[in-house]
Amino acid sequence: DSGVTQTPKHLITATGQRVTLRCSPRSGDLSVYWYQQSLDQGLQFLIQYYNGEERAKGNILERFSAQQFPDLHSELNLSSLELGDSALYFCASSVPGYGYTFGSGTRLTVV
Amino acid sequence: KNEVEQSPQNLTAQEGEFITINCSYSVGISALHWLQQHPGGGIVSLFMLSSGKKKHGRLIATINIQEKHSSLHITASHPRDSAVYICAVTDKLIFGTGTRLQVFP
Repeated sequence: DSGVTQTPKHLITATGQRVTLRCSPRSGDLSVYWYQQSLDQGLQFLIQYYNGEERAKGNILERFSAQQFPDLHSELNLSSLELGDSALYFCASSVPGYGYTFGSGTRLTVV
Repeated sequence: KNEVEQSPQNLTAQEGEFITINCSYSVGISALHWLQQHPGGGIVSLFMLSSGKKKHGRLIATINIQEKHSSLHITASHPRDSAVYICAVTDKLIFGTGTRLQVFP
């Protein structure tokens, strides 16, 4: 157990639907990062939150949004899902100057 | 051109061989990370480097900031080292495409 908890582990949903992925960072880590890993794109940075505020944005689609709550857990919302959104979604947390700790990922399948 | 390039893309080795994976980057960085992703999908952070060299067990990572290049070495490779090794740079983790390593007994 890395200390970063992601739920659910697997999710199957239909096109056009909306899903919410959840991430609880390691205790004491203020930063949460979201990443998407698809077969043809590799790992891509989506968005970072630090202590509740958005810190940086990567290749995140407008259909996707995220937030970090006061207890530091984060949610990634994916809406109007398309087949191409099928991927592994990872979150990671970190403390500045130290490495990253990854969650085990959520495997999203859009059918 | 990708900001982070890894080579080789695929690597096959016999148990006991010395392995080198290379990573070159074109952006300014505060640190470079080496990650390991096992077939089940989980990602483990192996090293974070900002200069010099780090060693952990049979794994050694080096970085040359001037040349914008890093290497990951595995000594006395073992089948359990079979995984995808990914280098990543900057605080936002721009990822290389990964090197798929298979070590055969």
